[in-house]
Amino acid sequence: SQTIHQWPATLVQPVGSPLSLECTVEGTSNPNLYWYRQAAGRGLQLLFYSVGIGQISSEVPQNLSASRPQDRQFILSSKKLLLSDSGFYLCAWRPGTARGEPQHFGDGTRLSIL
Amino acid sequence: SQQGEEDPQALSIQEGENATMNCSYKTSINNLQWYRQNSGRGLVHLILIRSNEREKHSGRLRVTLDTSKKSSSLLITASRAADTASYFCATDEVGSTLGRLYFGRGTQLTVWP
Repeated sequence: SQTIHQWPATLVQPVGSPLSLECTVEGTSNPNLYWYRQAAGRGLQLLFYSVGIGQISSEVPQNLSASRPQDRQFILSSKKLLLSDSGFYLCAWRPGTARGEPQHFGDGTRLSIL
Repeated sequence: SQQGEEDPQALSIQEGENATMNCSYKTSINNLQWYRQNSGRGLVHLILIRSNEREKHSGRLRVTLDTSKKSSSLLITASRAADTASYFCATDEVGSTLGRLYFGRGTQLTVWP
């Protein structure tokens, strides 16, 4: 069966520090991968999605970047964190070749910027 | 494109009662999906209804879709305290790329024992 892992679960970082959040999927090949941010009491905002190694699409201009160095690895990064980067970050995957399939989410990373 | 919007924003009921949540959207869709999120956790997929379907059941869940009104409803029957969570609808829009979903802000459901 397929599983998705995100780490760390929580992170407290000072303003101006770098960031690296990692997401890996097991049990499938060539998945579509997604990074979302969820502000308190709000819905999910799609940040990035990827259909293959090295292929990244960005939904909104921001202080963050994403990379996909391996088929089942998706990394969210920042060189210098801002206060506004605080939030709950969720990684998700979906079978790459199937239409009309649901997305499957990791347990998220709670990021607090001080 | 436009996110789905859930209604109500919050719902508080007693165990055993039914809970109904609604979702409205603005564009043509391939399918509509409902997800559940426990506090501080990731989203869990509950049910997917395609644009050519009008009703779907899964256990205590019943989902309806009215594409003419661009709306959907999620009914949870005989609710339990363990159903307490946020519920989100998400639309897979016609013409969108690569499985992109548009999420609403969710309905916070509280079920009291």
